[in-house]
Amino acid sequence: AQSVAQPEDQVNVAEGNPLTVKCTYSVSGNPYLFWYVQYPNRGLQFLLKYITGDNLVKGSYGFEAEFNKSQTSFHLKKPSALVSDSALYFCAVRAGSSNTGKLIFGQGTTLQVKP
Amino acid sequence: ETGVTQSPTHLIKTRGQQVTLRCSSQSGHNTVSWYQQALGQGPQFIFQYYREEENGRGNFPPRFSGLQFPNYSSELNVNALELDDSALYLCASSRLAGGLTDTQYFGPGTRLTVL
Repeated sequence: AQSVAQPEDQVNVAEGNPLTVKCTYSVSGNPYLFWYVQYPNRGLQFLLKYITGDNLVKGSYGFEAEFNKSQTSFHLKKPSALVSDSALYFCAVRAGSSNTGKLIFGQGTTLQVKP
Repeated sequence: ETGVTQSPTHLIKTRGQQVTLRCSSQSGHNTVSWYQQALGQGPQFIFQYYREEENGRGNFPPRFSGLQFPNYSSELNVNALELDDSALYLCASSRLAGGLTDTQYFGPGTRLTVL
């Protein structure tokens, strides 16, 4: 069965410091991996995805993520955090062989960036 | 912001009633997926519609049903509402081509409260 784990409920960082939000996954076959961000009372905003190719994926707002097949991980990173990055972050996976759009989401990680 | 819109924004219903939620997909997209996000949880896949037919379904009972129209907009219908149906309902549109669903872009959601 497909699953996604985000082991940290909350990550706290100081503005200007690097941030990492962790994600591990389990899926049959090649994974399609996604990161979304959710601000209060809003829908999900797409940040980036990994389908194939370079393991380091760059996305919106300076975020990037590294796909690690051996560790089945897809951690979200940013070199320098901003207070405005504070939000709820979701990792999601879809089996590459699936012809439906079914995304399996993690429980979410709240990122708190303090000035 | 994505081009995906949802209505209404908020809705209050009582147990046993029926509800219809609406979604307009982003221009150029031909597929709509619906997700339920309970408080403090990640979104759960309900189903996907493509070419006006259901194209994949999650673990939701038959009282959750949907429609897709020729203009690719969609409705989610829930009959016999239960208290546990209280959640944020998210619509996501995407393009299905070559048998694969591309990145899903989410609307702002409809907050349903069942009393």
